[in-house]
Amino acid sequence: DTGVSQDPRHKITKRGQNVTFRCDPISEHNRLYWYRQTLGQGPEFLTYFQNEAQLEKSRLLSDRFSAERPKGSFSTLEIQRTEQGDSAMYLCASSDRDSRSGANVLTFGAGSRLTVL
Amino acid sequence: AQSVTQLDSQVPVFEEAPVELRCNYSSSVSVYLFWYVQYPNQGLQLLLKYLSGSTLVKGINGFEAEFNKSQTSFHLRKPSVHISDTAEYFCAVSVLYGNEKLTFGTGTRLTIIP
Repeated sequence: DTGVSQDPRHKITKRGQNVTFRCDPISEHNRLYWYRQTLGQGPEFLTYFQNEAQLEKSRLLSDRFSAERPKGSFSTLEIQRTEQGDSAMYLCASSDRDSRSGANVLTFGAGSRLTVL
Repeated sequence: AQSVTQLDSQVPVFEEAPVELRCNYSSSVSVYLFWYVQYPNQGLQLLLKYLSGSTLVKGINGFEAEFNKSQTSFHLRKPSVHISDTAEYFCAVSVLYGNEKLTFGTGTRLTIIP
């Protein structure tokens, strides 16, 4: 078990370009979450998947953002026509259900930091 | 909807002194509570969690937290801090029987003074 992997760790792009981030969750976890964290703030929920189904999307996820999890394994987050306000750390997490309480406990990846010039 | 308040944005503490990082939450239903730690340029690491049972929970690196339902609090404590505890600490809440996404506070930056 190598944990949650995210790629790339850092991405610098020019305004207007498209970027894509990849997340590989812990293999036996069926839930996958995307969060965004801006400087000095806590992570904010963007969207989550149960297997390949995208079950909830935040209002933060404008139409320039799209997330997929085609086979219920890895996920991608694409941002089209990037803006400077998209500069942030994009965090992925997968979750396992606690056997005693039934609660989902999230394990986070190291994040992908996006800088839009 | 649930929310989390971390009133202290920065807490400086001398090495080997005790520390308490405060967290209050708001929710109309029962909750699960978490503390995560984030070191510079890294993701979030789970420190400890309250899911059910004993209200005093122990986590990694010598940290503990106590769930107080009447005060809607989940303060994080450590009796003696080390330089390596310098990091950002986030309190988070999720609700029972929801999609269990986490709602985070704005974080507390803990700085250990040698």
